[in-house]
Amino acid sequence: DTAVSQTPKYLVTQMGNDKSIKCEQNLGHDTMYWYKQDSKKFLKIMFSYNNKELIINETVPNRFSPKSPDKAHLNLHINSLELGDSAVYFCASSGLRQTYGYTFGSGTRLTVV
Amino acid sequence: AQRVTQPEKLLSVFKGAPVELKCNYSYSGSPELFWYVQYSRQRLQLLLRHISRESIKGFTADLNKGETSFHLKKPFAQEEDSAMYYCALSGSRAGGTSYGKLTFGQGTILTVHP
Repeated sequence: DTAVSQTPKYLVTQMGNDKSIKCEQNLGHDTMYWYKQDSKKFLKIMFSYNNKELIINETVPNRFSPKSPDKAHLNLHINSLELGDSAVYFCASSGLRQTYGYTFGSGTRLTVV
Repeated sequence: AQRVTQPEKLLSVFKGAPVELKCNYSYSGSPELFWYVQYSRQRLQLLLRHISRESIKGFTADLNKGETSFHLKKPFAQEEDSAMYYCALSGSRAGGTSYGKLTFGQGTILTVHP
């Protein structure tokens, strides 16, 4: 069983569209994250939820809206997609003690054309 | 604020040679440091964490608080070590605003030639 799973794996869409990426973890972790990996492979945190509560919201355009229906799921909805949104988006989760590190999903490669 | 710097974007070595990937950090509290590895088109995987003082796949990393460094080392590189390596820092819970935030360095692409 995959610990952190994201869907879809690839997403190609036109500018202006609205799209969602889903993430689920079966590790029983309390905290989930979204990270963006840009074309230069730089990883930057976008959001973090702990037990369905938003705890980290970096300077991300409000076109990006995370939603956590329960602590095992963290979805990312993006409105009015722009070319600059093209990137790989990684979901991750961690337990109560972040000293054990994060477990990452396999990523969603978003291409906006 | 917490920051991680990996000064080398690219690092090439030959098989069997020693390798050291540099990582320096900036954080006012007590940091927790990690190395993650990303093989071609795969997910990021935790390689090792400073708190466990372990050796994984022959790699070790020592936290040097005086030099604020956490360099990754391997005495004899293998071709299968070719990957992107990220150093990452997590601020302690007492840091308040840094709770749960893993900050990554820019990454170093390691290429091991045969």
